[in-house]
Amino acid sequence: NAGVTQTPKFRVLKTGQSMTLLCAQDMNHEYMYWYRQDPGMGLRLIHYSVGEGTTAKGEVPDGYNVSRLKKQNFLLGLESAAPSQTSVYFCASSYRISTDTQYFGPGTRLTVL
Amino acid sequence: DAKTTQPNSMESNEEEPVHLPCNHSTISGTDYIHWYRQLPSQGPEYVIHGLTSNVNNRMASLAIAEDRKSSTLILHRATLRDAAVYYCILRPRGNRDDKIIFGKGTRLHILP
Repeated sequence: NAGVTQTPKFRVLKTGQSMTLLCAQDMNHEYMYWYRQDPGMGLRLIHYSVGEGTTAKGEVPDGYNVSRLKKQNFLLGLESAAPSQTSVYFCASSYRISTDTQYFGPGTRLTVL
Repeated sequence: DAKTTQPNSMESNEEEPVHLPCNHSTISGTDYIHWYRQLPSQGPEYVIHGLTSNVNNRMASLAIAEDRKSSTLILHRATLRDAAVYYCILRPRGNRDDKIIFGKGTRLHILP
């Protein structure tokens, strides 16, 4: 199993550009999550999904959109990137119940100039 | 959401036990205590979790106070590869809106 994979690993954007981060998991997990981590900080939840076709807002959802068209994929979109969105983005997944272990991807380092 | 308090950083010598404390005085009766760690330049990884009783696994032990207002993650014999940020997190049981709240965690330095 590859576990949780993220694409791309690094990206540099100019202010106002758009992009989509892809998260894929091969563990048949129901729950998927997107977090951001700023330097010296813990992770903050952006959006999450409790199943295919469903999404919900997390702690810091503004400026991001998500889609979960397939169970194994969770997309994070930035429609108009801003320097404040410079961060490391982590995707995670878990099986079903809320107390289950979360498995994290390796992260995507995004810089917005 | 119930919060946790951890020291910003700790140091330990290699091959010695490490006790990482976590305070969670507002924990509710249905909150699980989870520990994750984040190695440099990697995503967090699960370490251990528990509800009331002490727990052991191949990575660590979790000691939970009788009143559940604090817990301690125990690494029995630290190695250089254990240098990481350790997060203590509360997760409510049976809550469909699963929102893990990560604080800043404890940065553990291992001295050779």
